[in-house]
Amino acid sequence: GESVGLHLPTLSVQEGDNSIINCAYSNSASDYFIWYKQESGKGPQFIIDIRSNMDKRQGQRVTVLLNKTVKHLSLQIAATQPGDSAVYFCAENDYKLSFGAGTTVTVRA
Amino acid sequence: NAGVTQTPKFQVLKTGQSMTLQCAQDMNHEYMSWYRQDPGMGLRLIHYSVGAGITDQGEVPNGYNVSRSTTEDFPLRLLSAAPSQTSVYFCATKPGPGANVLTFGAGSRLTVL
Repeated sequence: GESVGLHLPTLSVQEGDNSIINCAYSNSASDYFIWYKQESGKGPQFIIDIRSNMDKRQGQRVTVLLNKTVKHLSLQIAATQPGDSAVYFCAENDYKLSFGAGTTVTVRA
Repeated sequence: NAGVTQTPKFQVLKTGQSMTLQCAQDMNHEYMSWYRQDPGMGLRLIHYSVGAGITDQGEVPNGYNVSRSTTEDFPLRLLSAAPSQTSVYFCATKPGPGANVLTFGAGSRLTVL
């Protein structure tokens, strides 16, 4: 089946800078998208979600942008902190799908 | 409320041995699933269940069996382990197949020699 994927496997960010993680999806019928964060040695955890009728959604230090025209998602992390070092996955709401490989974010002190 | 509990956390097997990875949840979630995570491959869906007595295959089901006799439990069985099954396994649940967000367990690291 169709699935989402992330553009870059790794991202190195200076502490305090903003991070942008990108994701492309192929199923234009998807109506809901989720970002997960996976810290080392743990299972993925929910960060933020967005419905397809929205362009932008903000949480605490995180913002998700959705561009349905080009089928693209991005996760922006403001003022990146060492605790943001993790693997980030985007996913669409289809219980039959696998996840992409994720983007590993490393925060430099 | 423990959420999703996976056991064991670590296991080493020899080729050809069998074992069961356990997944239990106390959230009364109808949907349960198993993923494997390998470097550079993301989380690949092995099997899933939309309710007690109902299971189906995901992207990589070969070599694995599942059953769902209760809402709470969804064990993953390896009948004859192979080195290619060395991986980290995650169980994930959500209230129903139409719900949006998955709750993941902490993972089970399996090594097959």
